[in-house]
Amino acid sequence: DAGVTQSPTHLIKTRGQQVTLRCSPKSGHDTVSWYQQALGQGPQFIFQYYEEEERQRGNFPDRFSGHQFPNYSSELNVNALLLGDSALYLCASSLEGDSSYEQYFGPGTRLTVT
Amino acid sequence: QKEVEQDPGPLSVPEGAIVSLNCTYSNSAFQYFMWYRQYSRKGPELLMYTYSSGNKEDGRFTAQVDKSSKYISLFIRDSQPSDSATYLCAMSVYTGGFKTIFGAGTRLFVKA
Repeated sequence: DAGVTQSPTHLIKTRGQQVTLRCSPKSGHDTVSWYQQALGQGPQFIFQYYEEEERQRGNFPDRFSGHQFPNYSSELNVNALLLGDSALYLCASSLEGDSSYEQYFGPGTRLTVT
Repeated sequence: QKEVEQDPGPLSVPEGAIVSLNCTYSNSAFQYFMWYRQYSRKGPELLMYTYSSGNKEDGRFTAQVDKSSKYISLFIRDSQPSDSATYLCAMSVYTGGFKTIFGAGTRLFVKA
């Protein structure tokens, strides 16, 4: 059973650049959520995608955008990178329905902005 | 005030000890309460979830929810060095999709 996969594992970018992170959900899951986890902090909710649309959004600026594809995979895009965007970006998948609070996380992409 | 408060620790215990991890929350709309375990440089792993007030047991782990006090706990019995990790509490509310809020995580070290 394929779990949640994310790519790349690590990424180093320069301030002002743009970045795209990718996520493939657990087999059978249709909902993808993205989180930002700063060092020593818990994951912070960025947004959630279901049926190829952004369904919910946390307190993040418009520089953060995403997309979900027909195969349920998803991308997270961050424009005009700031030093403060350095963090572990986590993708979590779930199956829409009564138990969709059960999320399964990928290993994350560690983004460093210099 | 944060919606979910969790003492970041670190918490250091000897092998075999009973560990108690706790979180408080302010939003009475939270419906589901979860505990995740996160090893260094890994993604969080769902350990347990509960819906109502009361206790839920799974092996060495017991999750406890007290909605009247807005307080949740995770107990680990007979702690092992392999339990050394960061434990994250999380709470979900349905707002046209489940939105999950995490605590800051408590770092636990179990010494052999």
